[in-house]
Amino acid sequence: NAGVTQTPKFRVLKTGQSMTLLCAQDMNHEYMYWYRQDPGMGLRLIHYSVGEGTTAKGEVPDGYNVSRLKKQNFLLGLESAAPSQTSVYFCASSYSLPQVLAKNIQYFGAGTRLSVL
Amino acid sequence: KNEVEQSPQNLTAQEGEFITINCSYSVGISALHWLQQHPGGGIVSLFMLSSGKKKHGRLIATINIQEKHSSLHITASHPRDSAVYICAGAGSYQLTFGKGTKLSVIP
Repeated sequence: NAGVTQTPKFRVLKTGQSMTLLCAQDMNHEYMYWYRQDPGMGLRLIHYSVGEGTTAKGEVPDGYNVSRLKKQNFLLGLESAAPSQTSVYFCASSYSLPQVLAKNIQYFGAGTRLSVL
Repeated sequence: KNEVEQSPQNLTAQEGEFITINCSYSVGISALHWLQQHPGGGIVSLFMLSSGKKKHGRLIATINIQEKHSSLHITASHPRDSAVYICAGAGSYQLTFGKGTKLSVIP
């Protein structure tokens, strides 16, 4: 049981390049999330998904796109990377919504450290 | 907009000390999560609570709904407790995270 797996773990991009971060979970969770973590700031939600085929914007969605074609996978894309997107990206999944008391713990991947030069 | 404030930002303790980390949150948050981020970066959930108190080993989390305040306590602290502790408020679809408290426990 791997939990939540993120690939790649590290990446260096040049400004303007594109890339896709992959998140895979094997817990049959409906809800998946992409966050970014920057120094001095709390985790911020980029996009989330409440089920296969659905996505929604979070707090900081600009410059990112996502897709959830399969329930177990949630992809985060950067079409034209910018230095401001240098960050650590975390994917998470949960069985239910944050405010639902049962089974709403979020399970996190190990993170992807991205540098945009 | 939901807001979550943590204090202190940094905390250094001697091994064996009792530690308290505080979290205040705004209206609209119905439950509070506590998470731990290891020095290597991994994040794990410790507790979710909407009332009262929860205990797991040496960790205790409490919440006061009227005052919109939660605390995480660590009893008999140990160097392996050194990590960043994060509280997060649960809204409708998302968690709002505090900036974290970096705890260092010195032998």
